Amino acid sequence: KQEVTQIPAALSVPEGENLVLNCSFTDSAIYNLQWFRQDPGKGLTSLLLIQSSQREQTSGRLNASLDKSSGRSTLYIAASQPGDSATYLCAVGTDKLIFGTGTRLQVFP
Amino acid sequence: DGGITQSPKYLFRKEGQNVTLSCEQNLNHDAMYWYRQDPGQGLRLIYYSQIVNDFQKGDIAEGYSVSREKKESFPLTVTSAQKNPTAFYLCASSIVTASGSNEQFFGPGTRLTVL
Repeated sequence: KQEVTQIPAALSVPEGENLVLNCSFTDSAIYNLQWFRQDPGKGLTSLLLIQSSQREQTSGRLNASLDKSSGRSTLYIAASQPGDSATYLCAVGTDKLIFGTGTRLQVFP
Repeated sequence: DGGITQSPKYLFRKEGQNVTLSCEQNLNHDAMYWYRQDPGQGLRLIYYSQIVNDFQKGDIAEGYSVSREKKESFPLTVTSAQKNPTAFYLCASSIVTASGSNEQFFGPGTRLTVL
């Protein structure tokens, strides 16, 4: 059974820092890995999708990598801003996404 | 203005009542999904549908029912058989390719509270 873990559960950093969020999964036979952002009381916003044949995806200050052999993905956020404060979720699968419990990020001025 | 809409935003239910949550999308996506989110837990899949008039159970389907009569709509009914329905409910949709479902996009959610 696929299990997804995100570490750390919470992170607080000063503005301007580069940071890495981690996502690990137990079954390497995944198809897609998707990173989302969730603001309090809101729905999820898709940030990046990495398909099984890909190793990374980039969008603006965000870069996500995928290493299937080690069962890991990382989300790199460059030059963090207070507006990046949110919960970041990773999920693996295609028809049925299995979600991690998220990393709650706070970026303070 | 394309996207996924969910209504209502907040819903209160008395014990023993059935309630229906609405989800509509105008993205022309084939697949639609319902997830439940509880504090401290990841999202869990309730039901999904890849085509009109067909749907499959997810990991926590007991106490829920769905229908998919139109491509744009995927309503979720929370029945009285669901023992702990208080949660945040999220609807999503995606295109379907030969390799399976693609990137999922989410609606704003409905917060259901049982009184």
